[in-house]
Formats: sequence, structure tokens, C-alpha cells
Amino acid sequence: DSGVTQTPKHLITATGQRVTLRCSPRSGDLSVYWYQQSLDQGLQFLIQYYNGEERAKGNILERFSAQQFPDLHSELNLSSLELGDSALYFCASSVAAGPTYEQYFGPGTRLTVT
Amino acid sequence: GQQLNQSPQSMFIQEGEDVSMNCTSSSIFNTWLWYKQDPGEGPVLLIALYKAGELTSNGRLTAQFGITRKDSFLNISASIPSDVGIYFCAGQTTSGTYKYIFGTGTRLKVLA
Repeated sequence: DSGVTQTPKHLITATGQRVTLRCSPRSGDLSVYWYQQSLDQGLQFLIQYYNGEERAKGNILERFSAQQFPDLHSELNLSSLELGDSALYFCASSVAAGPTYEQYFGPGTRLTVT
Repeated sequence: GQQLNQSPQSMFIQEGEDVSMNCTSSSIFNTWLWYKQDPGEGPVLLIALYKAGELTSNGRLTAQFGITRKDSFLNISASIPSDVGIYFCAGQTTSGTYKYIFGTGTRLKVLA
């Protein structure tokens, strides 16, 4: 158990809908990262937050947005969902955002868009 | 998106054999991490490397941070069936954002 929690574990929804994925980082970690993993693919970095502020952006679509709250949990919002958005979405956390901090991953949320 | 070149893509090995895999990049990295991912689960951190030339072990796993800072290697000795899974490398860029770039993964299958 990495200490990172994600809810829900599974989510099935229809095209055009909007969903929210939630992540709680490890105790003491200030930085949260979101990744997307499509079937048999590697991890694609979406976005990073550090202590409530956006720190880095990756290949995140305009239909997707995220935020980190004062209690450090984070939410990833996916809207106008398309079939191609079906994937595993992982959250990871680290103590800080510098060059020597390891990321620990949550168990993921499997999103299926039908 | 940007990814590291990881090889081999997949491998079948006999139980008890040693395994080697590597990641290469055209960019210099500050940190290398190696993860193992089981199907449907989140990646689990195996080894973290912080200095060029560093060699670090974790049980039967040994990883090295390449001298050029553009590559890293992971070795698994005396493989066992539970080593099955996908192994990912991740390199942290030297840009100010310190984000991680992930390798394409090596899928390991161990034959008993």
C-alpha cells in the first residue's frame, strides 16, 4: 500500500458526460500528479500540482481540468467524454516537487466510456 | 507525449534466469526511478537513483544510473514467477518543472 488513495476504483459512463476522479496523497506529501494509461500503453503525464498550485502541464486535453484543495487532495475533472478517454487514471504524490523526490502511485481509477 | 525508449518491449524467461532491461533517452535526467506494475494496479516503486554512476540494489533487483545521465539499467537475478509484470523506468527532466517522463515498459513473463 503506497498510502495514496483514489476513488472511485471503477467508473462507467456514457459519451458526453462529465466525471470527477479523486485522489488523496500520502500523508505529508505536497505534490500530486495525474497520469493517463490507455490499454497496454505507458503512462502519459497530465498535470502536476504542488501545495495547491499548478506546477506543470503535460498532454492534458482542454476538456480535462484538475485542482488541488487546501487539504491537499486533488480532483481530476473529465468532461464531454469520448470513447477514447477510456483508460486507467493514476494519481501519484511526492513530498515536494524538486529533483530528488520519488513519486508514489495510487491504485488507479478505471474509466470506461460507452 | 514524450517517452523514454525502453527495451526489450517484452521477454519470456525461465524461472531462475537473470533479466536485464534498459532505458535510454536523448535528454539528460536528474533522477531515474524503476517501477513494477501488475495488471490493473498502480505502479510500485522498486528503486530510485539520484547520481550518475550510482548502483543500487533492492533484494534481487539492481539498477544503475548511467554515466552519461541518459540511460539506466535494471537487472533481476534468479527470476521467480511473481516477477511477472510490466517494468517501467521514469526519468526526471532537468527542466524547472521536474516532471517525470516514463518509459514504454518491459513486459516480463516468467516460465516456471
